[in-house]
Amino acid sequence: EADIYQTPRYLVIGTGKKITLECSQTMGHDKMYWYQQDPGMELHLIHYSYGVNSTEKGDLSSESTVSRIRTEHFPLTLESARPSHTSQYLCASSERGRLAGGLGTQYFGPGTRLTVL
Amino acid sequence: QKEVEQDPGPLSVPEGAIVSLNCTYSNSAFQYFMWYRQYSRKGPELLMYTYSSGNKEDGRFTAQVDKSSKYISLFIRDSQPSDSATYLCAPLGQGGKLIFGQGTELSVKP
Repeated sequence: EADIYQTPRYLVIGTGKKITLECSQTMGHDKMYWYQQDPGMELHLIHYSYGVNSTEKGDLSSESTVSRIRTEHFPLTLESARPSHTSQYLCASSERGRLAGGLGTQYFGPGTRLTVL
Repeated sequence: QKEVEQDPGPLSVPEGAIVSLNCTYSNSAFQYFMWYRQYSRKGPELLMYTYSSGNKEDGRFTAQVDKSSKYISLFIRDSQPSDSATYLCAPLGQGGKLIFGQGTELSVKP
């Protein structure tokens, strides 16, 4: 079972507030990811990191930012929340894995459901 | 055109039925194909994955890939109410990025 944690699980907040969604994993995985998922829609990759001090934007443009100062921690920040940011945010991590090219299977946290009023 | 298309569902079956969940994809470079299961208000969990074309069986679950037609299937035998969830197909793209389908919501009725 994967040990990846996200807090808070649910957040309701007003427009204009700064928020940070926390994601931590205890597996020592190098790679971490943030996905955005709207109801009935695909998961879209918004940020990823291949290690400490490495961050990249994903396929879906996002106004959020991320940092990776420690291997186990990959927080996501929204400087000024808007109703359009309402969504579920999922964090994942993967090992330097057994698949070709060193790719590993991804393990997901439980998600943070964000509602911006 | 989306890279991965998945039958939208929702799908409702009686307990014990055989379930077939399907996806098509457009990128012939994909080699690994994941199936994730997502229960309501939870994160996806990896169910199984296959490499290239062929079948892979794990208990009541069988994953099948036909690269010639770019078609991915997941079969569930003797379906149980505990199988009720959303099933997501996800080929593994470049750099370890998963390309998700929109998911098929499955409901198994007792």
